[in-house]
Amino acid sequence: NFMLTQPHSVSESPGKTVTISCTRSSGTIANNYVQWYQQRPGSAPTTVIYEDNQRPSGVPDRFSGSIDRSSNSASLTISGLRTEDEADYYCQSYDNYNWVFGGGTKLTVV
Amino acid sequence: EVQLVESGGGLVQPGGSLRLSCAVSGFTFSSYWMSWVRQAPGKGLEWVANIKQDGSEKYYVDSIKGRFTISRDNAKNSLSLQMNSLRAEDTAIYYCARGGSGRLPVSPDFWGQGTLVTVSS
Repeated sequence: NFMLTQPHSVSESPGKTVTISCTRSSGTIANNYVQWYQQRPGSAPTTVIYEDNQRPSGVPDRFSGSIDRSSNSASLTISGLRTEDEADYYCQSYDNYNWVFGGGTKLTVV
Repeated sequence: EVQLVESGGGLVQPGGSLRLSCAVSGFTFSSYWMSWVRQAPGKGLEWVANIKQDGSEKYYVDSIKGRFTISRDNAKNSLSLQMNSLRAEDTAIYYCARGGSGRLPVSPDFWGQGTLVTVSS
């Protein structure tokens, strides 16, 4: 199995743009879809990006996802940051029938 | 509206057993992979198990193989996780999640609110 590595934390000001990376340790990032989940304190995770760059209905277009084959990583970009975006974010992919989660990134909006 | 509601969590002694359940509604249960994901206190998400639409295939994270069993009852729209030989490191919130309708369980798209399992003497 591969691992997905995320930065432990990121911090940015309201109105700015932040990018969270998710690097795959082995195998090719583009071979398996990457998803992103937002988890606010005390709540269950919710999907903000699926299939690398697709947004579920109800997720604002301030959230976007991308894949970079050169760095074998995925990224979640949040523009026009709001205080309500402060949460933990997890990337996820799969290896055949198993799921792999990144360690999570705590986003602070201050 | 898709709903997943877990139950069965609680305090159990090391070596003990517990059975978690997940009642689902709002979608055709038998068409989807179903899964359990856990989160230890203050830690990240960890995939636990996946079960195929008809229950014929089951997959587990290595740390729980031989101790946990995932099962489903498509007639009752219900998912279960039987947990035996519990250890302190199994302490976590356990989430039921819907895993997709394809040949592979690509990802969780809907999650329950979770049920807390505490393993302690």
